[in-house]
Amino acid sequence: QKEVEQNSGPLSVPEGAIASLNCTYSDRGSQSFFWYRQYSGKSPELIMSIYSNGDKEDGRFTAQLNKASQYVSLLIRDSQPSDSATYLCAPGGSARQLTFGSGTQLTVLP
Amino acid sequence: ETGVTQTPRHLVMGMTNKKSLKCEQHLGHNAMYWYKQSAKKPLELMFVYNFKEQTENNSVPSRFSPECPNSSHLFLHLHTLQPEDSALYLCASSQDYRGGYNEQFFGPGTRLTVL
Repeated sequence: QKEVEQNSGPLSVPEGAIASLNCTYSDRGSQSFFWYRQYSGKSPELIMSIYSNGDKEDGRFTAQLNKASQYVSLLIRDSQPSDSATYLCAPGGSARQLTFGSGTQLTVLP
Repeated sequence: ETGVTQTPRHLVMGMTNKKSLKCEQHLGHNAMYWYKQSAKKPLELMFVYNFKEQTENNSVPSRFSPECPNSSHLFLHLHTLQPEDSALYLCASSQDYRGGYNEQFFGPGTRLTVL
């Protein structure tokens, strides 16, 4: 089992729709969870951090965490073409070292 | 300068060359990281420095040699590389390593091509 698994992409959604990105992780000791956005040819950019079970909203982005299920997700409401990128899930493991998933490539169609 | 900077942004080198990558962070952080990102593969952690001390070396070949003279600067010295070492090399920093809030912030990366 991979340490971090993300939805196999690519994922395409129409402009204005909700994009749902999922991530499961294997380390039950993970305490911190991060979502990064990476545009093609660029470096990862931190967009969300979540530490407690439940939802955390920041603008059009909502992160959801369920530690019992070892699951974290990112919802993007009112998706825009500028949201087209690869989204990386990165749990901070029990040793707090970040482990990155392979990423889900999102395309928002105008 | 703000955030994390890296130089050079692009580097082409032969297998017998020696070159160095430089990273500088302007965030007052104490931990710095080197990652390798190859096409279609997840980010691979290479090295971690916390308060200038190397705390992680993820089985990286000795042809990659890191150096951290202070908490703001990190180098990656390269020698006798192989074509499969061609990748995007990313530097990141965080407040500390293994702390409770360890968001990492990345530099723009160095695109390395080994001929």
